Amino acid sequence: EAEVAQSPRYKITEKSQAVAFWCDPISGHATLYWYRQILGQGPELLVQFQDESVVDDSQLPKDRFSAERLKGVDSTLKIQPAELGDSAMYLCASSFTERETQYFGPGTRLLVL
Amino acid sequence: KQEVTQIPAALSVPEGENLVLNCSFTDSAIYNLQWFRQDPGKGLTSLLLIQSSQREQTSGRLNASLDKSSGRSTLYIAASQPGDSATYLCAVRYLRNTGFQKLVFGTGTRLLVSP
Repeated sequence: EAEVAQSPRYKITEKSQAVAFWCDPISGHATLYWYRQILGQGPELLVQFQDESVVDDSQLPKDRFSAERLKGVDSTLKIQPAELGDSAMYLCASSFTERETQYFGPGTRLLVL
Repeated sequence: KQEVTQIPAALSVPEGENLVLNCSFTDSAIYNLQWFRQDPGKGLTSLLLIQSSQREQTSGRLNASLDKSSGRSTLYIAASQPGDSATYLCAVRYLRNTGFQKLVFGTGTRLLVSP
């Protein structure tokens, strides 16, 4: 069964360093999402792509976060510089269209020291 | 602001009990509602999806209901098992003014089923 792949699974970094997360959606899925989930809370959408275009990045802290999906397939989320408050689980999801069920990857757990 | 609330935040039951998880949402103009399961440190697995025109959906021991007018959904788990222990998240899909949709998540109910 096809799955959403994410790497790394875990990342420990010091504040002010740069970190990057990678996501490979299910083949054929046009819509890709990055969520942030703080411990004890539900996921919050950071950015949504339709193919290679950003359709919603209203909750993305653009002074330090960036996301790209250059060829409309895999995607990278970057944080520079990382802050203590960025410690969270970063989840990637994809769907065939944005009206259909989202399939989630295993997530990347980030700890900023 | 579109908010989704889940009650209780945590629930502990003995094996075999039937239980109900609650979800409420402030904006009733929803497209659909979805229940997810999340195991510790893992991603989310979709359990049930209810369209706004539907009243309920069933899958095995799970039954989800939707009352759009009152802004509520419930997830009923029959004959609970230790393997059901996980966090259950309710998510409401809204149509944005851009034409694209957005999934708004609740904070989840952490369920522990004891043998």
